[in-house]
Amino acid sequence: DTAVSQTPKYLVTQMGNDKSIKCEQNLGHDTMYWYKQDSKKFLKIMFSYNNKELIINETVPNRFSPKSPDKAHLNLHINSLELGDSAVYFCASSPPGLAGRKDSYNEQFFGPGTRLTVL
Amino acid sequence: AQKVTQAQTEISVVEKEDVTLDCVYETRDTTYYLFWYKQPPSGELVFLIRRNSFDEQNEISGRYSWNFQKSTSSFNFTITASQVVDSAVYFCALRRRALTFGSGTRLQVQP
Repeated sequence: DTAVSQTPKYLVTQMGNDKSIKCEQNLGHDTMYWYKQDSKKFLKIMFSYNNKELIINETVPNRFSPKSPDKAHLNLHINSLELGDSAVYFCASSPPGLAGRKDSYNEQFFGPGTRLTVL
Repeated sequence: AQKVTQAQTEISVVEKEDVTLDCVYETRDTTYYLFWYKQPPSGELVFLIRRNSFDEQNEISGRYSWNFQKSTSSFNFTITASQVVDSAVYFCALRRRALTFGSGTRLQVQP
């Protein structure tokens, strides 16, 4: 099936640990994103990559590091996890923009989300 | 700076009622796109509609309709004859480089 997939779906871990969330899309899109949804349902952009190049890096602690080995994958590594990192993390992708633009006004297709719980 | 405001935190209606979800946005861009996404209790984000800033025509898709008015910077979403399956959190979003989401409106449709 063509889709945006994330693993794992649930992640429960202790404070101080390091963990990774993986995202893959087989839609042929150039741009991928990570969003964070907190307990109050607020959704906020964290990072965006276009063809393995970082194009958006919002005010996110250095403990969060995205890695894009190729344009179909965007992984999120989190060091020294804190209680406040508990949230649902969504990966998304979107098709290329017009005229070679790195950004795009096209709709974003979201993965199913990864619920991270830090104890 | 961009901002999306969904003033209605929660709405509860009885099945078959019509309901309108409000969305007001702020942007300095002359070209922009507006979106609505649905997040059902299962948690995934489902794309509903995209509208660009040059197209103010209202859109209807089945029981769903959208009213875009640049003069009031609003992009409201109406569900006609609501059903229990419409129960979800609905997000309005504004697109520049990434999506700026509103805080969402939780719609509860009672049988």
